[in-house]
Parts: sequence; C-alpha cells; structure tokens
Amino acid sequence: QQQVKQSPQSLIVQKGGISIINCAYENTAFDYFPWYQQFPGKGPALLIAIRPDVSEKKEGRFTISFNKSAKQFSLHIMDSQPGDSATYFCAARKTDSWGKLQFGAGTQVVVTP
Amino acid sequence: NAGVTQTPKFQVLKTGQSMTLQCAQDMNHEYMSWYRQDPGMGLRLIHYSVGAGITDQGEVPNGYNVSRSTTEDFPLRLLSAAPSQTSVYFCASSYSRDRGLRGYEQYFGPGTRLTVT
Repeated sequence: QQQVKQSPQSLIVQKGGISIINCAYENTAFDYFPWYQQFPGKGPALLIAIRPDVSEKKEGRFTISFNKSAKQFSLHIMDSQPGDSATYFCAARKTDSWGKLQFGAGTQVVVTP
Repeated sequence: NAGVTQTPKFQVLKTGQSMTLQCAQDMNHEYMSWYRQDPGMGLRLIHYSVGAGITDQGEVPNGYNVSRSTTEDFPLRLLSAAPSQTSVYFCASSYSRDRGLRGYEQYFGPGTRLTVT
C-alpha cells in the first residue's frame, strides 16, 4: 500500500502551459518532501525539495506548494518546455529514517511543441 | 567524479539462476540503497546501508541479499531469480548527516534492466 499517493498518472500540456502534479500522504511523521525527475533510460534526479515548515518553495520554473493541514503537496511547472517531458516522482521521508524515501507512483509529463 | 555507476545495464536470467548487480559510488557517501522500479508502483526500497558493515531491509527485501564491505561498493544479490523480479533496479547514494535541505539528496545510478524468464 503506497504511503504517498500521486496523481495524475500522465498529463499532456502545450508548450508554455502549466503542469500540475499532486501528491497526498497520511503519515504525519514525514518531514521531508522531494520531487525527482526521470528521463527515459536514466536514473531519477532531485529536482526540488521542501520541508513542512514552509508553504511554498520556488526554483526557477518549478514550485512546490505544501499544505500541511491537508497533508498534500504539489509540483507546478510554469512555462512548460518540451525538455520538461519526463516522469516526475514525489516522495516523502520520515523523521530519523535517513534516505528511506517513500515514492509516489509517478506522473509522465509530455509537453507538446 | 563518475557519481553512481551500475553494471550490467541489461541482464536476462532464467528462473532459478543467481546473479549480482554491481553498484559503486565515488562521492564518499555513507548511505547507499537499492530500489526497484515497476510500472505504476514508483520506486520501492529493497535494502539500504548507512555505512560499511551495516545493512538493513527496506520495503521489499525478499529474494535479495546485500553486503557492504567498503564505503564505495554495495552489490545486490539475487539468490534464485523469479519472474516477479523482472524490473529496473536503481542504486542510490547520499550523505547520512544533515547538511541542509539538499544534503538529503539521493544520487541515482543509470539502472539495470533485469528480465527473468
């Protein structure tokens, strides 16, 4: 049973549009929420991460929004580009369980020209 | 720095065969782990290690063994391969002490695609 639920499974967005991926969790012991980006044939790579003491984290065109009371967090990709086409995974880590990430199922994003 | 390297890239096994997936990192990371990636399941933790000589089970450890004799290497052994172990396997490494938000970052290798027939 997946501890981090991710949606949608896939999405198609036009170049310049906004991609939004949502994740939800139940375990309040989670204290670190990263997003990983994976291109075909490659390993995942850290994109951006947040801790629950802030509600938003922005790095370039990528923003995490975090709602602690709802136990939800989302990734927004602004001005989506064809090079953003990849699979995105949200994840969560419990306090004091170093490196033991619980991953969501992944979202395949396709950005059309 | 080569980062995290994995060999082989592809492997086909028959049911019952054994093999070892190799993983090495040159970043002096204390923490290393193995994940398997299956469609619709994300990545699931198989085994992990917080340093040489220390290993522990993750979420899906059955059918796999690990050992950590050096900081750099963390091989994954399949004892008797089964079709259910057909998957893409990723090794990852990171520091094991708090170095700020990106200090938790796990670096993943390129993966090994394993098919068990």
